[in-house]
Amino acid sequence: DGGITQSPKYLFRKEGQNVTLSCEQNLNHDAMYWYRQDPGQGLRLIYYSQIVNDFQKGDIAEGYSVSREKKESFPLTVTSAQKNPTAFYLCASREAGGTEAFFGQGTRLTVV
Amino acid sequence: QKEVEQNSGPLSVPEGAIASLNCTYSDRGSQSFFWYRQYSGKSPELIMSIYSNGDKEDGRFTAQLNKASQYVSLLIRDSQPSDSATYLCAVNPSGATNKLIFGTGTLLAVQP
Repeated sequence: DGGITQSPKYLFRKEGQNVTLSCEQNLNHDAMYWYRQDPGQGLRLIYYSQIVNDFQKGDIAEGYSVSREKKESFPLTVTSAQKNPTAFYLCASREAGGTEAFFGQGTRLTVV
Repeated sequence: QKEVEQNSGPLSVPEGAIASLNCTYSDRGSQSFFWYRQYSGKSPELIMSIYSNGDKEDGRFTAQLNKASQYVSLLIRDSQPSDSATYLCAVNPSGATNKLIFGTGTLLAVQP
């Protein structure tokens, strides 16, 4: 089945630690996205990538980093510089050119 | 001014009524518009996409786009309790075809 897989579903992080969230897609989509969602809020764009080895900052990139070494993969690292990382993180992908995006099931990150 | 604005709600409608959800956007050159539905704790799923002025119907859902007034709306006819969810509006801004910006979402509650 084609789709987007995020792992893990739940993640706990100690303060001061970096953590990496995985996002893999087998839809052959060019564009991939990371969003953050806080309780009762909409989706805020962290980073997006239009092609391998290229990515752009979204509205809230501070404290996060990404890589796009393969078309299928777009991992997100939440660094210790992100002061309030507890949130629901969503990865999405779509074909280039403005078509609809498809989402993974999300990773819920909690700082303990 | 936010790029994409929605009333956070909650919007409460009785079962069988028409629910009307609205979204305004700031970038006049935006070309692609999407409505997503998100159940609590789940990832968003696409309801409708619309690219040109006018109405687009799919079953009980109708998307309406008015580029001159910079708004897009979603009508849900014969609302059902299962339609209770958060509805997110998403827009592709001009000059960045692969950037996808979401509003904060409108919580819809359909009362049986």
